[in-house]
Amino acid sequence: DTGVSQDPRHKITKRGQNVTFRCDPISEHNRLYWYRQTLGQGPEFLTYFQNEAQLEKSRLLSDRFSAERPKGSFSTLEIQRTEQGDSAMYLCASSPVPHEQYFGPGTRLTVT
Amino acid sequence: KQEVTQIPAALSVPEGENLVLNCSFTDSAIYNLQWFRQDPGKGLTSLLLIQSSQREQTSGRLNASLDKSSGRSTLYIAASQPGDSATYLCAVMEGGQAGTALIFGKGTTLSVSS
Repeated sequence: DTGVSQDPRHKITKRGQNVTFRCDPISEHNRLYWYRQTLGQGPEFLTYFQNEAQLEKSRLLSDRFSAERPKGSFSTLEIQRTEQGDSAMYLCASSPVPHEQYFGPGTRLTVT
Repeated sequence: KQEVTQIPAALSVPEGENLVLNCSFTDSAIYNLQWFRQDPGKGLTSLLLIQSSQREQTSGRLNASLDKSSGRSTLYIAASQPGDSATYLCAVMEGGQAGTALIFGKGTTLSVSS
């Protein structure tokens, strides 16, 4: 399978716990994006990497959120001290030139 | 601030109909526009990408057009099938710095009955 993969697919956690999600992009893609999608809404941009460099962060990415992409391969998104408002689908996408983005299946987070 | 609007929010049609989904954006300085399909609880599948210099793209029964000056795109689906039932999302990438965020509309949820 050469598509974007995400793990886990579903995560249920209690408020206040930390969670970490992983994204493996398509291997030759140097750009990697994280988005968040709530019910009935389109995805909203969180952050973007080119290789290992995090080049852009949305205002949605509060101090409780951190993302990394060591060695420019897979990426992780960590949420500390989760809140009920963090419940959403977290989507990862990757792209080559000329910038068509390919999305993974998403990680659905439920904070109870 | 770029805003993307999709009309209608929901659409129900019988099988075999041709249909048009609309997308509008407020700032015409875009780099590209992408149409996606999303099945319930799933990720996004890219359908068509239109670069800012292009007017349309076609893939099978799908045709997407782009009118940058008026800030509009349409997705035309020919001979609709029940398997086309999904939410269709339109997204633009702003110009000036290629490779950054997509800005999405809220989508049009399509239901095709047999």
